[in-house]
Amino acid sequence: QVQLVESGGGVVQPGKSLRLSCAGSGFLFDGFVMHWVRQAPGEGLEWVAVASFDGRQTKYADSVKGRFTISRDNSKNTLYLQMDSLRREDTAVYYCACLMTPGYWGQGTLVTVSS
Amino acid sequence: DIQMTQSPSSLSASVGDRVTITCRASQVISNDLAWFQQKPGKAPRSLIYAASSLQSGVPSKFSGSGSGTEFTLTISSLQPEDFASYYCLQYNTYPFTFGPGTKVDIK
Repeated sequence: QVQLVESGGGVVQPGKSLRLSCAGSGFLFDGFVMHWVRQAPGEGLEWVAVASFDGRQTKYADSVKGRFTISRDNSKNTLYLQMDSLRREDTAVYYCACLMTPGYWGQGTLVTVSS
Repeated sequence: DIQMTQSPSSLSASVGDRVTITCRASQVISNDLAWFQQKPGKAPRSLIYAASSLQSGVPSKFSGSGSGTEFTLTISSLQPEDFASYYCLQYNTYPFTFGPGTKVDIK
């Protein structure tokens, strides 16, 4: 059974940091490019970042570039998102996903940036 | 960045209706387009990739077409479980960009 399980969300003050994790199981984790996608309350989907199969190549949305870092540990079948200098507008549900084929998504983890 | 637009932004339809949603890209993206369904409070579900290829387990009532800058998602016979929001995504060029979504609700 394929699973992507995000964790690490919570309430954090502006300017602080948070690290999200996404644990994969039931599929060949290191065989897929992995993404983070977020959704602010009541809004649409926003692509955030991508890590290549081995994590050596990464890309970011302009809105998070320089503040967020995506990484992966294939020995642990886990994807990460280190979020620094958080802003109120980063408040969202964060999903990890294999966006194209095979199209797996996690259930999401809520990050709230508030003082 | 490539801008994605969707039309309509919302629609009301009845069970059994044929529904078509259009997604347009601001520049040519070949067939590097995916479609997703999302129900309130739930994670998105992948429906289609490469503009017209159905993800495993997705019923054949969903179909996608198009290439270049204009794409469509069609639901052949709308069922109660299909009332949801639908998003397109271009993955031709980074940063990837989603369309703003189309909400399909019950007439």
